[in-house]
Amino acid sequence: SYVLTQPRSVSVALGQTATITCGGENIGVRSLHWYQQKPGQAPILVIFRDNNRPSGIPERFSGSNSGNTGTLTISRAQAGDDGDYYCQVWQSGFGVFGAGTKLTVL
Amino acid sequence: EVQLVESGGHLVQPGGSLRLSCAASGFAFHEFAIYWVRQTPGQGLEWVSGVSWNSGSMEYADSVKGRFTISRDNAKNSLYLRMDNLRTEDSAFYYCAKPQLAYVWGNSPLDSWGLGTLVTVSS
Repeated sequence: SYVLTQPRSVSVALGQTATITCGGENIGVRSLHWYQQKPGQAPILVIFRDNNRPSGIPERFSGSNSGNTGTLTISRAQAGDDGDYYCQVWQSGFGVFGAGTKLTVL
Repeated sequence: EVQLVESGGHLVQPGGSLRLSCAASGFAFHEFAIYWVRQTPGQGLEWVSGVSWNSGSMEYADSVKGRFTISRDNAKNSLYLRMDNLRTEDSAFYYCAKPQLAYVWGNSPLDSWGLGTLVTVSS
């Protein structure tokens, strides 16, 4: 089965740029999606199909996907960006999630 | 506004059964595949099962295959998950999630999620 690998945690200073990676074999040929989840809340979609933002998601959120690594980038990090971030792809009709990365804004 | 409201979760003994429901509103339910995703408290997301818009396709994670059955009733705008032979490791919040695109099986981001219903399997 397909496996997505994320760092367990990432820290970023307030106002700086956070980068969260998602590794997978040839992930660049798949559509990669990213979700943010805060404690006690359901996940929300923040990036879809590699580099697209849903309405309401700030321009500070961006994504890329190539080779064996997909990346979520959060520019000018704010305290409200704290939370868990999950990458996700589809393998036929099966959803595959990464284990999640806890982002801490210092 | 899209709304997904899960219900049916509660405490059940190992080996027991449960049926979860998800009531959908605010979109053309019959046009969309729909999925169950679970999360053990403090842990990550795990895709559980999905059903296509016309129930023609269904998929299950290996961890639940043969024990869980997904179904939907388009007339009632509802999704169900029948859970049999429950194990302690099935304890989790269960979310239903809607894909962004209609008439697409897999390969669409999940743009709406319910708040989840908690299943606890314990003796």
